[in-house]
Amino acid sequence: DAGITQSPRHKVTETGTPVTLRCHQTENHRYMYWYRQDPGHGLRLIHYSYGVKDTDKGEVSDGYSVSRSKTEDFLLTLESATSSQTSVYFCAISEWRGLQSYEQYFGPGTRLTVT
Amino acid sequence: GNSVTQMEGPVTLSEEAFLTINCTYTATGYPSLFWYVQYPGEGLQLLLKATKADDKGSNKGFEATYRKETTSFHLEKGSVQVSDSAVYFCALSARRTANAGGTSYGKLTFGQGTILTVHP
Repeated sequence: DAGITQSPRHKVTETGTPVTLRCHQTENHRYMYWYRQDPGHGLRLIHYSYGVKDTDKGEVSDGYSVSRSKTEDFLLTLESATSSQTSVYFCAISEWRGLQSYEQYFGPGTRLTVT
Repeated sequence: GNSVTQMEGPVTLSEEAFLTINCTYTATGYPSLFWYVQYPGEGLQLLLKATKADDKGSNKGFEATYRKETTSFHLEKGSVQVSDSAVYFCALSARRTANAGGTSYGKLTFGQGTILTVHP
């Protein structure tokens, strides 16, 4: 199994509070991703990183920010949580060779409930 | 843009039945194609992959062939087991292209997932 951990694994928080989710990898992969998984939507990309301090938006980035100060850590922050951000959040890592990506490996997920 | 369409579920089968889960895609160029599996309460695991036309990915009795002419990557298994009950996701990874900022990246585009339940 790829060395990816996520913390916390479960969290319940109140509307309007800030929340930070952490993804930690031991594979030294350059690319890291945050997805959310919701019924009927599959997985949707929130933000991704292509190197330390290099990040960009995915398709559902509103209300989220990210930071990557070290290769191994990728943080996802909900600045002011809303009920629509109740979801399961997955981190993934990947490497690239030339123009073709290798497969992404996923962490175990964080179940976030915003009340 | 890129997209992946999977057959709608849920799919319910008896043990030892034949499984097909259809997946078609829309993409520019030559994407890589993947099947991921998610068991209850767990993250996604890579099941198999194919990186070019006519490649066949296989793992744990599952197979899928990259068909460029029909833009398909259907998942098949000859004899399913109860332990195969899970959610299956088809996905594609576009070739890396430069964006307006000059950096390069590619993203994984997922289908909506197909729930498979296998009964004894």
